[in-house]
Amino acid sequence: RKEVEQDPGPFNVPEGATVAFNCTYSNSASQSFFWYRQDCRKEPKLLMSVYSSGNEDGRFTAQLNRASQYISLLIRDSKLSDSATYLCVVTLDTGRRALTFGSGTRLQVQP
Amino acid sequence: NAGVTQTPKFRVLKTGQSMTLLCAQDMNHEYMYWYRQDPGMGLRLIHYSVGEGTTAKGEVPDGYNVSRLKKQNFLLGLESAAPSQTSVYFCASSYGDVAYEQYFGPGTRLTVT
Repeated sequence: RKEVEQDPGPFNVPEGATVAFNCTYSNSASQSFFWYRQDCRKEPKLLMSVYSSGNEDGRFTAQLNRASQYISLLIRDSKLSDSATYLCVVTLDTGRRALTFGSGTRLQVQP
Repeated sequence: NAGVTQTPKFRVLKTGQSMTLLCAQDMNHEYMYWYRQDPGMGLRLIHYSVGEGTTAKGEVPDGYNVSRLKKQNFLLGLESAAPSQTSVYFCASSYGDVAYEQYFGPGTRLTVT
């Protein structure tokens, strides 16, 4: 079983739609959680951290459910520029340097 | 600032050949990392370094060696390339205090035939 599982997609949505991605992790000792974004054939970049209380950054909302070992990312009012692969990331390391990446969920926003 | 740069961008090797991938960062980051990315597998950590002269194994270290002789450089070596090492290799770096915010280089596409 993979440590971090994501639906690979692709999710094809129209501009302006709301879309949600889910991610599950297998190790209950995981300490910290993040979403990274990776454009096609480019390097990954940190999108946002995920906190137990939930957190929002503009159109993006991340949620963590430790009991269910489940992380989500909600994107409201999708833009064409949101088209990318979204990587769910967890770490067991209290220093938060040894990251475990999911294989990603691809989002394609259509005009 | 160039950020994180990787050399070369593309390479084709024959089985058994050796090569070194170079990563350089100009952000004065303490930590540096090497990952490989394969379809459907996600990024997997090969080796990492928490400072000049120190290295540690990641999830998939076999078949690779690394060195960090200078703070700004992190080298990944393949002594005897195998087709299973065909992948996209990413280098990353981060500050120690915010190690989860890793800055990635543009990647090296390696094919081993």
